[in-house]
This record gives sequence, C-alpha cells and structure tokens, in this order.
Amino acid sequence: EADIYQTPRYLVIGTGKKITLECSQTMGHDKMYWYQQDPGMELHLIHYSYGVNSTEKGDLSSESTVSRIRTEHFPLTLESARPSHTSQYLCASTSGGPRETQYFGPGTRLLVL
Amino acid sequence: AQSVTQPDIHITVSEGASLELRCNYSYGATPYLFWYVQSPGQGLQLLLKYFSGDTLVQGIKGFEAEFKRSQSSFNLRKPSVHWSDAAEYFCAVGSADGLTFGKGTHLIIQP
Repeated sequence: EADIYQTPRYLVIGTGKKITLECSQTMGHDKMYWYQQDPGMELHLIHYSYGVNSTEKGDLSSESTVSRIRTEHFPLTLESARPSHTSQYLCASTSGGPRETQYFGPGTRLLVL
Repeated sequence: AQSVTQPDIHITVSEGASLELRCNYSYGATPYLFWYVQSPGQGLQLLLKYFSGDTLVQGIKGFEAEFKRSQSSFNLRKPSVHWSDAAEYFCAVGSADGLTFGKGTHLIIQP
C-alpha cells in the first residue's frame, strides 16, 4: 500500500486567492511529481523534483510553483488562482529511475470560481 | 519526445467477456511501459509494467499485457471482466523526467 497523501481532497475558491496544495509521502522517495488532469483527459506533468532543493518544470506549462525543502513534502502553490486553474492535481513519488513504479496520491480537485 | 496513443476513448464490454485495451507508443529507446487504472475520484493504481525480459507481463486483478516492439504496442488484456473493472485505464511510457500518459480509455461494463 502506497503512503502518499494529498490535502485538501476538494477545494472551491474564488479568483485571486493564493492556494497551496499539500503532498506528503512516508516512503522516503527522492523523486516526486505533480500532474494536472482535466476531466476525461490524460495527465500532464507540470513539476518534478529529484530530491531536496531540486525542482524542475514539466512538459505542460503551469503558473504554479513548487518547493522541496524536506524529502517527504512537495507542496504546490498558486499565487493568484484563476478559473483556468480548475482541474485535478495528482501528486506521485518514486524511489528510482524510469522503470520504477510511481505511486500516486488520491488527488486534489480544485474549482476556481 | 515520447508519446502514447490510446485509440479507444470508450469501450463497452459485457460482464464475463474478454477485454483488450489498445496502446501504441513512440519512444526512441527501449521503452518502460506501464498500465494504470483510475477509479472515479481516486488516484492511479499500477496494474503492471514492462521494462525488459518476457514480453508478456502479468499484473494485478487478472490483467496481462503484451509488448510488441514491431508494432510499438503494449495492449492490455483480461480474459473475463468483472463489474468492478469499470474505470479509466491509462497507458504510459516512462523516462527520467516522469511518465507520459495516453488520453485514457473509459471502460464500461454491461450486466
């Protein structure tokens, strides 16, 4: 059983608000990822990290930012939420290279009004 | 750049019937291939993966997939589906930077 957690599970917020989506894993994994998934669509990689103090942008351009101060924690922040940010955000982690399994959290469904 | 194509957006299968979900990939080197399943409101769960060796891989929940390099395919199969298999299925190819997913196939199970 994977131990990767995301909070909140659901968030409805107004335009212009700052939000932080939390992601934590207790498996000691170095690599962590954020994916964005619109309803009925594929997942797109928006951020990833190889370890503490490492952050990289993914294939899909995103106005969000991430930080990796601790191995187990990989929060995603939107400084000013807009309706175009409405989506599901999935966090994942893995212990090694591209052949290793990525374990996913349950996701955060974000609705920006 | 790698890419994954799942040509079927929706598939409807009767309970107890066999299932095959198609996946084609584009990748320059030996691919690392995955099938994930996503139930409504949930994250993704790994069904199986391939990175080398036997081209027929077994996964959880009775699923299997066959890697065919000549066809750039990694199709998922199950001999007899159950109502609980209704979900979204994603094929993905792995690289050092993360996973590239297909658009997914929505599986509907008819009683």
